[in-house]
Amino acid sequence: ILNVEQSPQSLHVQEGDSTNFTCSFPSSNFYALHWYRWETAKSPEALFVMTLNGDEKKKGRISATLNTKEGYSYLYIKGSQPEDSATYLCALTNTGNQFYFGTGTSLTVIP
Amino acid sequence: DSGVTQTPKHLITATGQRVTLRCSPRSGDLSVYWYQQSLDQGLQFLIQYYNGEERAKGNILERFSAQQFPDLHSELNLSSLELGDSALYFCASSAVAGGSLDTQYFGPGTRLTVL
Repeated sequence: ILNVEQSPQSLHVQEGDSTNFTCSFPSSNFYALHWYRWETAKSPEALFVMTLNGDEKKKGRISATLNTKEGYSYLYIKGSQPEDSATYLCALTNTGNQFYFGTGTSLTVIP
Repeated sequence: DSGVTQTPKHLITATGQRVTLRCSPRSGDLSVYWYQQSLDQGLQFLIQYYNGEERAKGNILERFSAQQFPDLHSELNLSSLELGDSALYFCASSAVAGGSLDTQYFGPGTRLTVL
């Protein structure tokens, strides 16, 4: 079992603030890193899949970076809005196609 | 709406019983994944099927089994149920076999309560 850690566990920010969270993972047998957005009472929604060291992905105000050598990924949200409130999950897949999820960062954006 | 459907939405049963959860992937998707979300644990990967064949296996108990049928729908069978099996079970689908690189689309989940 691979240990995927996310920090912080929860975060409260004011509307308009930019924020970022961290996903840390063991770099051995790394294959891909996924980010998901999970709103309360809904299903997880895929944000990004990243595979290469140095990868950067962007979707609107949300972006992510990947460092496979040191085993971490950052998710950034620029100008947070109340609708960004959700739990953000990362998951590592290894070369065996198995998924290992972190416990998530719960983001609350205060209007 | 992701296009992935799961039935039933809720299921309440007793310990020792057996249940079947059903998942229909998005039209055209060949891969199906099953996940378990219980209160004391995060999202756990159970198993992946691609075009009817088992592709990857995670933390799936021996009491649990899954299959994917020729029409690509999948079923997760849970037997000899225990209180600790109470959880939200998600199914997800993706287009191709290389699930690790593929965008997954999650269904609404089935909430299983074992009394």
